[in-house]
Amino acid sequence: DAGVIQSPRHEVTEMGQEVTLRCKPISGHNSLFWYRQTMMRGLELLIYFNNNVPIDDSGMPEDRFSAKMPNASFSTLKIQPSEPRDSAVYFCASSFYSNEKLFFGSGTQLSVL
Amino acid sequence: KQEVTQIPAALSVPEGENLVLNCSFTDSAIYNLQWFRQDPGKGLTSLLLIQSSQREQTSGRLNASLDKSSGRSTLYIAASQPGDSATYLCAVRPYGNKLVFGAGTILRVKS
Repeated sequence: DAGVIQSPRHEVTEMGQEVTLRCKPISGHNSLFWYRQTMMRGLELLIYFNNNVPIDDSGMPEDRFSAKMPNASFSTLKIQPSEPRDSAVYFCASSFYSNEKLFFGSGTQLSVL
Repeated sequence: KQEVTQIPAALSVPEGENLVLNCSFTDSAIYNLQWFRQDPGKGLTSLLLIQSSQREQTSGRLNASLDKSSGRSTLYIAASQPGDSATYLCAVRPYGNKLVFGAGTILRVKS
C-alpha cells in the first residue's frame, strides 16, 4: 500500500487566495483526520470523518476553513480566503477505526505571504 | 481536560546508549496510548500502540510501557543508533474522544 497520500507537498500563495489541500487515505480505512502542526501550537486536530461523515469539526479555526470527504478515497481541506497565520504544515491521517493505529501522510507545507 | 507532557524536551546521547523517554498524562481514563516518531520534514510514523488493558508493547529495540493509574508511559530504546535521531511524540486517546498529543522529545544520537 502506498500509505496516505497528500498533495501538494508545498504550497505558496498570497493572502486572500483560496487554497485546497488533498488527501487519499489508505484503502480500507474508514476514519480520516486533518491535523495542523506549528512550532507554537504543536499538532492540532482540525476535523475528523468516520465513514465519510464529519464527526468532530470543533478544531476548525474559522469559517474560512472547510473540509469534505465525498467518498472513501478522497478528502479536501479548503481555506478561503487564506491568511498569513494559516501558514503551517497540514497533515492528513487515516485509521481502520477512529481509535486504532493512526497513519499519517507526508504533509503539505503551506506558506501564505 | 486531558494534558500530555513529555520530558525531556530534548536529549542528546552517544551511539549505543540505552535511553528512556517519558510521557505523562493528567486523566487516567484513556482508551489507548501511541508513540510516534517524526523525522524532519516528514509525517508521523506510529511506533507502538498500547491499549488501556495492556502494560507494555515491544517492537524490535523499542519497548513502551503504560501505567494508567499513575498517568505515565515510557518509551525505552535499546542500543541507540544515529538513525534513531528524530522527534518522538506521545499521544493518548481519551474514551470516545480524539487523540491528545504531547509536544515531543527531540532525540539526537551522536556517532
